[in-house]
Amino acid sequence: GQQLNQSPQSMFIQEGEDVSMNCTSSSIFNTWLWYKQDPGEGPVLLIALYKAGELTSNGRLTAQFGITRKDSFLNISASIPSDVGIYFCAGPPANTGNQFYFGTGTSLTVIP
Amino acid sequence: DGGITQSPKYLFRKEGQNVTLSCEQNLNHDAMYWYRQDPGQGLRLIYYSQIVNDFQKGDIAEGYSVSREKKESFPLTVTSAQKNPTAFYLCASSGTINQPQHFGDGTRLSIL
Repeated sequence: GQQLNQSPQSMFIQEGEDVSMNCTSSSIFNTWLWYKQDPGEGPVLLIALYKAGELTSNGRLTAQFGITRKDSFLNISASIPSDVGIYFCAGPPANTGNQFYFGTGTSLTVIP
Repeated sequence: DGGITQSPKYLFRKEGQNVTLSCEQNLNHDAMYWYRQDPGQGLRLIYYSQIVNDFQKGDIAEGYSVSREKKESFPLTVTSAQKNPTAFYLCASSGTINQPQHFGDGTRLSIL
């Protein structure tokens, strides 16, 4: 299967700090999605990106579709305790039809 | 409320038994998916269905079977051939195959 590498693997930050994480692949992607998963629950879609260079915000979250189409970035500003969870990137590589692949996740811990 | 319902939340299986996990959606989505999530890892695709009466294998289909007799239902059977079935199973759906997926809250399967 496709490999989506997320970095960092885990983060421990103070409440109020900004957070940056990224996702990279050796393949070109047509769409990048960012999900958040709380313990014991299913992932929830945060942001969807559809073209290279696109920058999209959802409240305190901002995501960008890399211009090479092989990466994407997610930023969270002014973190709060409920931001705790695992963040996954996902998308369909351009050369593999419609199957979506998921990254290994970035675990975020916010210290009050 | 519209959404995806997975049941049961927790399931225990004895060695050699088949078990079936339920997934129902009332979003009128054509496409449905089953993923497996192991601790600290991303999601891996087991099976997906683009439309009623059609389904395709994902990356890890061995030891699993599915059916798609109704648009709103996509049950997953974990057969005795699956030697390591303990995992968190997630069902998802999307309007069509290339649209962002929305997830249920998962079923945690354990072996007795």
